[in-house]
Amino acid sequence: AQSVTQLGSHVSVSEGALVLLRCNYSSSVPPYLFWYVQYPNQGLQLLLKYTSAATLVKGINGFEAEFKKSETSFHLTKPSAHMSDAAEYFCAVGGSQGNLIFGKGTKLSVKP
Amino acid sequence: EAGVVQSPRYKIIEKKQPVAFWCNPISGHNTLYWYLQNLGQGPELLIRYENEEAVDDSQLPKDRFSAERLKGVDSTLKIQPAELGDSAVYLCASSPRLGEGTGELFFGEGSRLTVL
Repeated sequence: AQSVTQLGSHVSVSEGALVLLRCNYSSSVPPYLFWYVQYPNQGLQLLLKYTSAATLVKGINGFEAEFKKSETSFHLTKPSAHMSDAAEYFCAVGGSQGNLIFGKGTKLSVKP
Repeated sequence: EAGVVQSPRYKIIEKKQPVAFWCNPISGHNTLYWYLQNLGQGPELLIRYENEEAVDDSQLPKDRFSAERLKGVDSTLKIQPAELGDSAVYLCASSPRLGEGTGELFFGEGSRLTVL
């Protein structure tokens, strides 16, 4: 069975500060891993994905994530937060069955 | 290219009333998903279609929920009768045929249901 755990339901950072959103996964098969972002009253938009190529994945809007198999982690980072980054972020794991299994989400607040 | 289209975006009904949501996936995408997103939670799969066939409906509450995907394109999700606890966002997503692509799902903007 596959699962995702996101540590911290709410993260608050100052504008310009480092953003770190944590995600740990469980999977019995080599996983595909994803980060999605959701702005208020909108659907989910893909930020980045890991599909067994490079372990450091770069996504849109300056975000990146590093796949660490030994730690079963796929944390999302951004060196400098912007006000427009305020949103909810979801980590997801997918496999050969085609579904994505999502974490509960982390709401990011950015203070001016 | 158009993305996944859902309607209505918002729906307010009284409990025990029926409601239906419609989804048009990205052209050429064989796989269609309906997810349920409760407030403050991540999306949870309700049903997955491969073309016209529902290949995973294990999480669909079949006493009141039904879904169809006629002709393997558009899909409709119905709730009858609606209960207060059904208030949530219903997300539709699509992806290329299983085994193609890299597992990414493309989401619509969702249909927000409020049951009074």
